[in-house]
Amino acid sequence: DAGVIQSPRHEVTEMGQEVTLRCKPISGHDYLFWYRQTMMRGLELLIYFNNNVPIDDSGMPEDRFSAKMPNASFSTLKIQPSEPRDSAVYFCASSSDRNYGYTFGSGTRLTVV
Amino acid sequence: AQSVTQLDSQVPVFEEAPVELRCNYSSSVSVYLFWYVQYPNQGLQLLLKYLSGSTLVKGINGFEAEFNKSQTSFHLRKPSVHISDTAEYFCAVSPGIQGAQKLVFGQGTRLTINP
Repeated sequence: DAGVIQSPRHEVTEMGQEVTLRCKPISGHDYLFWYRQTMMRGLELLIYFNNNVPIDDSGMPEDRFSAKMPNASFSTLKIQPSEPRDSAVYFCASSSDRNYGYTFGSGTRLTVV
Repeated sequence: AQSVTQLDSQVPVFEEAPVELRCNYSSSVSVYLFWYVQYPNQGLQLLLKYLSGSTLVKGINGFEAEFNKSQTSFHLRKPSVHISDTAEYFCAVSPGIQGAQKLVFGQGTRLTINP
């Protein structure tokens, strides 16, 4: 298995632009998580899905953030409009009830200038 | 709700010395516990996990951790570290029930190995 695949690895965008981050979970995993990592706040859970359904989005900072999971093999995290304070590394992870413990992707480093 | 405290933000040790990274948790229910490692510019990788059974858990790269329910701790240990162990280590907790997959992470401990 290729693991959890995230794209792009790096994204630099101007304030106000729309940003879309993508994630392909491990086949057979029925949970998908989006985390944000910054020096100041550490790892923050933004949202997670079970069987493609959003279960907990209480960590989504504000309405500028949205996430979708149209099928079991793909999820997106969108920021519109982006702001400099959104600069962070965004991680996607997946897991299953048969094997506890997340598998993380390599992350997307987002810089908003 | 669960919470995790990693007591040391940075731990410097010499190569081949033993190391212990401390983790304490808070929870009103039973828990599952995890340690992850993050190398520079990479995602987090699972080192080991405690779900049930033996309180001493062995993981990859020679690491082990011991679950101590009375002290609500899950400290990570390695008897002899290598330069390649330089990384950030995260302790995490989730409710110990099927389907409760949401992990809460500690703030991380940066382990630096000096030659």
